[in-house]
Amino acid sequence: AQTVTQSQPEMSVQEAETVTLSCTYDTSESDYYLFWYKQPPSRQMILVIRQEAYKQQNATENRFSVNFQKAAKSFSLKISDSQLGDAAMYFCAYRSAANTDKLIFGTGTRLQVFP
Amino acid sequence: NAGVMQNPRHLVRRRGQEARLRCSPVKGHSHVYWYRQLPEEGLKFMVYLQKENIIDESGMPKERFSAEFPKEGPSILRIQQVVRGDSAAYFCASSPRQGRLPYEQYFGPGTRLTVT
Repeated sequence: AQTVTQSQPEMSVQEAETVTLSCTYDTSESDYYLFWYKQPPSRQMILVIRQEAYKQQNATENRFSVNFQKAAKSFSLKISDSQLGDAAMYFCAYRSAANTDKLIFGTGTRLQVFP
Repeated sequence: NAGVMQNPRHLVRRRGQEARLRCSPVKGHSHVYWYRQLPEEGLKFMVYLQKENIIDESGMPKERFSAEFPKEGPSILRIQQVVRGDSAAYFCASSPRQGRLPYEQYFGPGTRLTVT
């Protein structure tokens, strides 16, 4: 069974600085997708960024980018130029490409942003 | 465009009562997923449904929980004889189709169930 691990329960960053959130996963599959979701206090789950495992190029979405290391099974999220609105819980998630597309989530990292 | 709608947003039930949670997917989406989030935890998959079919219920507790997605109307997650351990946030997500492309799952705002 696949598992997703987020080893940082909490992180903090100064406004305008850069922060990296860690995520590792375990799978025997070669084809899958990885996601980062943001959950602000409103509890709404918002997709931040996705990565296809067959793509070597790291995904980027504006201030958000990932460092995808397939051999190490690592998928970290980098937030550049942090803003107060980035404060939220961040969840890493895995989805098999071969099975039903249920998402397997990590336990989350709470990000605080200080002015 | 209306996103995924869930109601009620908050639901309080006494132990032993039934809870019915509703989810209206994005218009045109025929795939619905239910997830449960216990306090201070990540979301856990419960069930995946297509119209009138349960595709994957590997995350559903064997007893007291059931889900449906009828041809017409919203998807319903039903919890019978609720217990305190059922207190959680229940999220619904929808996507347009299954396939190799990573179709995004659009999440609703969740229903927070409190069992007293």
